[in-house]
Amino acid sequence: AQTVTQSQPEMSVQEAETVTLSCTYDTSESDYYLFWYKQPPSRQMILVIRQEAYKQQNATENRFSVNFQKAAKSFSLKISDSQLGDAAMYFCAYRVGYNNNDMRFGAGTRLTVKP
Amino acid sequence: KAGVTQTPRYLIKTRGQQVTLSCSPISGHRSVSWYQQTPGQGLQFLFEYFSETQRNKGNFPGRFSGRQFSNSRSEMNVSTLELGDSALYLCASSLGTAAGNTIYFGEGSWLTVV
Repeated sequence: AQTVTQSQPEMSVQEAETVTLSCTYDTSESDYYLFWYKQPPSRQMILVIRQEAYKQQNATENRFSVNFQKAAKSFSLKISDSQLGDAAMYFCAYRVGYNNNDMRFGAGTRLTVKP
Repeated sequence: KAGVTQTPRYLIKTRGQQVTLSCSPISGHRSVSWYQQTPGQGLQFLFEYFSETQRNKGNFPGRFSGRQFSNSRSEMNVSTLELGDSALYLCASSLGTAAGNTIYFGEGSWLTVV
């Protein structure tokens, strides 16, 4: 069974600093997609970044980047130059299969940004 | 372009009743999926619809059902409500089910069962 583990229930970062959120997953598939979603107090899930497993290059989106270690089944999110608006719950997710929208989510990491 | 719209946003039901939640996907999106979010179980996949057909179903009892209409709008129904059904129900849509499609979420429907 595919599982996603986020070992950090809460993280804190100073504004303008860098923070890394951890995620590990378990799968027997060789090709899949991984995602980081942000859930602010409004509760709407917002896609932050995604990674295709067959791509060696780590995905980046402005201040957000990932460290994808396929062999170790690790997928961490780095947020650079943290802003107050980055405060939210962050969920790591794994997409099951290639032809459906069944996503498995981790338990989430609550990120606090201190001014 | 309007996002994924869910109605109602908040509702309170009594144990034993049934509830219907509605989801309007982004225009042009044909795939709709539903998730339940609770503090204890986190985010769990309920089911997915594409072109009015259920393609996948999560590990939920038969009290949870859904459907999709020809305009891609979707509804989910929970019958014989239990206290444990209290949750945020999130709807998500995408163009299709191909792995490269981005999934967009709505703001959810908060269900409280008393």
